Amino acid sequence: DIQMTQSPSSLSASVGDRVTITCQASQDISNYLNWYQQKPGKAPKLLIYDASNLETGVPSRFSGSGSGTDFTFTISSLQPEDIATYYCQQYDNLPGFGPGTKVDIK
Amino acid sequence: EVQLVESGGGLVKPGGSLRLSCAASGFTFSSYSMNWVRQAPGKGLEWVSSISSSSSYIYYADSVKGRFTISRDNAKNSLYLQMNSLRAEDTAVYYCARDRSGSTFDYWGQGTLVTVSS
Repeated sequence: DIQMTQSPSSLSASVGDRVTITCQASQDISNYLNWYQQKPGKAPKLLIYDASNLETGVPSRFSGSGSGTDFTFTISSLQPEDIATYYCQQYDNLPGFGPGTKVDIK
Repeated sequence: EVQLVESGGGLVKPGGSLRLSCAASGFTFSSYSMNWVRQAPGKGLEWVSSISSSSSYIYYADSVKGRFTISRDNAKNSLYLQMNSLRAEDTAVYYCARDRSGSTFDYWGQGTLVTVSS
């Protein structure tokens, strides 16, 4: 099984800050990596697919990069509505999610 | 508008059974693979099972293999999850999710809570 790790597990940042989350796969998954946002009590929402493609309708302050085993998710300017938990998900084999990164406002 | 609406959750005793349903609308259901993803209280997301558009390919997480059965009825635009031999660790919100391609989940339902407790 492919194991996914994320860091940090949580972070606090100020409005307008640049926020970066990393996701690492236990083996090469090419670009088979998605990012989701989940707000409390809500279903997850797809933000980034195929490692770096922005889902339609998602603000451009969200971006993703990486390939192979190391991936990065960035919020270029944190907004209050971005408070959520962010999950990476690989789909190289059976799908699997990272443990999540909780983002809140300092 | 794409909509996925889960139902069938509730309280069940360990060893019991439950059948979840997911009613789909707003898209050609028969053209998409579908999935179940769960989330235990306060925990992360766990993929549970997937079924291809024509039910030809079915996959399960090791944690539910042999106990859960995924199925679909394309005529009724519905997805199902039959859960048997339920355990406390199966307690979670269960989401159905549309698979746009290659396990990219682009639409999710609101979830249904399953609680396994005596």
